[in-house]
Amino acid sequence: DAGITQSPRHKVTETGTPVTLRCHQTENHRYMYWYRQDPGHGLRLIHYSYGVKDTDKGEVSDGYSVSRSKTEDFLLTLESATSSQTSVYFCAISEGTEEIDTQYFGPGTRLTVL
Amino acid sequence: QKEVEQNSGPLSVPEGAIASLNCTYSDRGSQSFFWYRQYSGKSPELIMSIYSNGDKEDGRFTAQLNKASQYVSLLIRDSQPSDSATYLCASHPGNYGGSQGNLIFGKGTKLSVKP
Repeated sequence: DAGITQSPRHKVTETGTPVTLRCHQTENHRYMYWYRQDPGHGLRLIHYSYGVKDTDKGEVSDGYSVSRSKTEDFLLTLESATSSQTSVYFCAISEGTEEIDTQYFGPGTRLTVL
Repeated sequence: QKEVEQNSGPLSVPEGAIASLNCTYSDRGSQSFFWYRQYSGKSPELIMSIYSNGDKEDGRFTAQLNKASQYVSLLIRDSQPSDSATYLCASHPGNYGGSQGNLIFGKGTKLSVKP
């Protein structure tokens, strides 16, 4: 399972409140990703990190921020949650070789914003 | 805009049959491709990866890549009810180590294998 955990696994919150989701990995992977998955849209990249304190935006980064102060932890923050951010959030890591770079996913966090 | 297209299904096949899942991609520069299986309420699980033209086999699964036609497929032989899931196709712009390029996912094809 690539040693990835996510917390919390489920969360219900109210519009306007801040929310932080945590992704933790135990295998010292350099690259980490946050995706959201919505019906009709598939998986979409929010932000990714290529090292401690090194992050970049993905396709749907508006309304989200990330931080990576340690190799093992990648945090996703919704500064002021909105109903449109109700989704399932997946963290992923990547393992690369000379031939191919493969991503593996964590178990996911189901977030409901009321 | 880079896109990966899949038939949403559902694709229904009888137990023991071959299931054929297809995917096309728009970015001609894409180098590597992935098939993930996702059970309802679970996270995507890697089934196959491929970066060379032709076929790659792993047990009951065969991935096929045709870069000239920008087409990727997944064949599942001797389909089982436990194969019932949504299958996600993804492309990656580079086949080098590192992740400067990020995966582009299709919306998935739902497969149902009937006993």
